[in-house]
Amino acid sequence: NAGVTQTPKFQVLKTGQSMTLQCAQDMNHEYMSWYRQDPGMGLRLIHYSVGAGITDQGEVPNGYNVSRSTTEDFPLRLLSAAPSQTSVYFCASSLDREGGQPQHFGDGTRLSIL
Amino acid sequence: AQSVTQLDSQVPVFEEAPVELRCNYSSSVSVYLFWYVQYPNQGLQLLLKYLSGSTLVESINGFEAEFNKSQTSFHLRKPSVHISDTAEYFCAVSKKGSQGNLIFGKGTKLSVKP
Repeated sequence: NAGVTQTPKFQVLKTGQSMTLQCAQDMNHEYMSWYRQDPGMGLRLIHYSVGAGITDQGEVPNGYNVSRSTTEDFPLRLLSAAPSQTSVYFCASSLDREGGQPQHFGDGTRLSIL
Repeated sequence: AQSVTQLDSQVPVFEEAPVELRCNYSSSVSVYLFWYVQYPNQGLQLLLKYLSGSTLVESINGFEAEFNKSQTSFHLRKPSVHISDTAEYFCAVSKKGSQGNLIFGKGTKLSVKP
């Protein structure tokens, strides 16, 4: 059981480049989300989705786009990378929409923007 | 809006000593409460959660947390820690019926020394 799989694990970009962080889950979870983790800041919600075709913004959405064409996949796109987007990115999924079920996290993507 | 405060950013403790990691939250609506643990270079894993019922919840590895509604706290405790408990611990809340979006505290790094 793979759970939540994130690729790549590490990435270095130059300012202005674009890239897509991939996230896939094999648990048939409706809810998926992206967080960024910065030292001393905890995790902050970027975007989330409650099902295929439905996405919404979290606390820090600027500079990021998402789409949800299938239940399994929830990619995060950086349109024009900036040094402030250097962070560790985590994808998570959960069984329900009511908030009581635990979220399953991937191992993260460590992104550096030069 | 909800917010979570973890009162200690770092907690050093000797092996076999007791430990308490403090968490306070603020919310005008009912919330679910969680503790997640992050080992180095890994994603977050659920440690325990409070949804309703008994205010004392326990994990399989000896941690426990008590929900105190009057003090809006959800402190994490363990009577005797091991070296393997060294990790970062995050307290989080989600609003009931909120699509599962988590609000995290900034984390507490627990260092267990021999």
